[in-house]
Amino acid sequence: GAVVSQHPSWVICKSGTSVKIECRSLDFQATTMFWYRQFPKQSLMLMATSNEGSKATYEQGVEKDKFLINHASLTLSTLTVTSAHPEDSSFYICSARPTLAGVTDTQYFGPGTRLTVL
Amino acid sequence: GQNIDQPTEMTATEGAIVQINCTYQTSGFNGLFWYQQHAGEAPTFLSYNVLDGLEEKGRFSSFLSRSKGYSYLLLKELQMKDSASYLCAVMDSNYQLIWGAGTKLIIKP
Repeated sequence: GAVVSQHPSWVICKSGTSVKIECRSLDFQATTMFWYRQFPKQSLMLMATSNEGSKATYEQGVEKDKFLINHASLTLSTLTVTSAHPEDSSFYICSARPTLAGVTDTQYFGPGTRLTVL
Repeated sequence: GQNIDQPTEMTATEGAIVQINCTYQTSGFNGLFWYQQHAGEAPTFLSYNVLDGLEEKGRFSSFLSRSKGYSYLLLKELQMKDSASYLCAVMDSNYQLIWGAGTKLIIKP
C-alpha cells in the first residue's frame, strides 16, 4: 500500500514552454502533498505544500507564478513549471501524507520527474 | 538557523556493518526520519525516532539522542543493493521536514 505515482517520469522541453507534472496517490487519500526539487548530490528542497481545495503554501524564494500548484482532489496534485528555463532543470519529487495519518507520520514519495530544459 | 550534518560519502564492504551519523540543530524537534534513496529514484522510508534509544528493524537500526542532537543509522550484513544515499531528516516545531544532504554509501565486494 501507500503508493504514489508521478507522470511523466522524465521530460525534455524547450526553453519558454510550460511543463505539467502530475502526482497521484494510488491507494490512499492525501489531503496534503508536498513538492520538492533536488539538484545532483544535494538535499531535497521543499518548494511548496499543497492542501486539497486550498492554495498551496510556497517556501521562501519559490516563485508561485512560475511553479503553479493545483490540488483539485484528494488523490491528485499537479505542478506546472511555466516558461521553463535551463536553470529549472532538476529532479522534481512529490510526496503525499495520508489524510488519516498523523502529522509526524512518514510521507510517501513518488518516483520523481527528471526535467531537462534545453 | 537550522542545520543537518551527515558525512558526504562512506565506503564499506559487503557483509560488514556501517554506521551513518547525523547531527542536527533545529527549531524544535518532532522526530527524526531516515530515508534510503537510490540514484535517480525517490526516497523510501526506513525509520522514525522521536524518543531516545535504539529502534531495530531487520538489518537496519536507528538510534537517537535528543540531548546530543544526534542520530545514527546502523546497517548490518551489508548487501550490494544497500549502495544508495541515506537521508536524515528532522521534523521541526512547525512539523516541517528539514533535510540533510544525504550520505552516499558505496558497498564494495
